[in-house]
Amino acid sequence: GEKVEQHESTLSVREGDSAVINCTYTDTASSYFPWYKQEAGKSLHFVIDIRSNVDRKQSQRLIVLLDKKAKRFSLHITATQPEDSAIYFCAASMEGQGGSAKLIFGEGTKLTVSS
Amino acid sequence: EAAVTQSPRNKVAVTGGKVTLSCNQTNNHNNMYWYRQDTGHGLRLIHYSYGAGSTEKGDIPDGYKASRPSQENFSLILELATPSQTSVYFCASGDAVFFGKGTRLTVV
Repeated sequence: GEKVEQHESTLSVREGDSAVINCTYTDTASSYFPWYKQEAGKSLHFVIDIRSNVDRKQSQRLIVLLDKKAKRFSLHITATQPEDSAIYFCAASMEGQGGSAKLIFGEGTKLTVSS
Repeated sequence: EAAVTQSPRNKVAVTGGKVTLSCNQTNNHNNMYWYRQDTGHGLRLIHYSYGAGSTEKGDIPDGYKASRPSQENFSLILELATPSQTSVYFCASGDAVFFGKGTRLTVV
């Protein structure tokens, strides 16, 4: 089955710098790649996604890049702020029965932004 | 925004006991999921559902059952709880996957 690897388990940056979190996936059939943020002691919430029909998507300070040939996607956070500190999870979906998505998650990257 | 409500939020169970974790969503989503989160493993999919009456095995279904009696409700059942099932459990719904706040389960 699909496997998603998140390459950085921890990442530390200074406020104002950019942070990049990289993920790879194994199944070429995967077509949907969301990212989630989990603050300490809290649940996950969706932050941005990208579908396989595009290779770049931006939402304010968040940019997602998708390289289908390399089966790699990445989250770029520009102009980081202390409140960006959290665990970030990437995920990939395999289309299942009836077109429903079964999301497989990476192991998470703990991002620390220091001021 | 989609509302996904889990109950209980915290649970201590004894080994061999039965545990039921409940999840309710109010946005009429077809898909619902149960994940567990453990340090070093990220989120792992236990069971999921495409709609009322449907349950599917995820990646780690052993020791768990699921029930989807209605569009709104999706339960995770541990018939014989074991200490290895101590974890934080998240329910989620919808294609973009809206998460509940989690249930911290401790099996002693």
